[in-house]
Amino acid sequence: AQSVTQLDSHVSVSEGTPVLLRCNYSSSYSPSLFWYVQHPNKGLQLLLKYTSAATLVKGINGFEAEFKKSETSFHLTKPSAHMSDAAEYFCVVSSLSGSARQLTFGSGTQLTVLP
Amino acid sequence: GAVVSQHPSWVICKSGTSVKIECRSLDFQATTMFWYRQFPKQSLMLMATSNEGSKATYEQGVEKDKFLINHASLTLSTLTVTSAHPEDSSFYICSARGGGGGAIRTDTQYFGPGTRLTVL
Repeated sequence: AQSVTQLDSHVSVSEGTPVLLRCNYSSSYSPSLFWYVQHPNKGLQLLLKYTSAATLVKGINGFEAEFKKSETSFHLTKPSAHMSDAAEYFCVVSSLSGSARQLTFGSGTQLTVLP
Repeated sequence: GAVVSQHPSWVICKSGTSVKIECRSLDFQATTMFWYRQFPKQSLMLMATSNEGSKATYEQGVEKDKFLINHASLTLSTLTVTSAHPEDSSFYICSARGGGGGAIRTDTQYFGPGTRLTVL
């Protein structure tokens, strides 16, 4: 079994300030972890993914996330928020169980960037 | 690479009619496709998983006779909402997972842009 908990449903930051979106996971197997972004009425865009290589993962648009096994966390960060970062962000876990590999989505975090 | 399209992007239909949504992998062969449903301001919920040439596997609580899924080729899957009702109004998103090779990873799902269905 696997699950994902996004600790904040809404995060507001001012433009130019750091962004932190928190995610904790549980998995019975070695997980792959993803962050996706969804702009209004749009599909999902992959920001970054962790697949058992380097624990600090760099993604697109200046985002990065660190896999911490001891804390079962995969928080998403960005040093300086931009207005275009305002969107819904989903933390996703994928575990291989037999021949199946399914994604489990977190509940999402709505990021608001204030001018 | 790894582009997934959906058609139509939005559709409005009358209650009782059927609607077909297409999901295509444009530049890779998708051995597995997934269909998700997303209600407003909620997360994605997996409806079903389909492998090319075989019957789809539906998640618990999803009516297979209402949501017909066909994965007839390695680049096309369709979702047909039969006898649609207003409660079926939602954002439907498909994703595709490739068979590997090149830049297409088997551990990554590539998502389509979604289809907004409104049933009047």
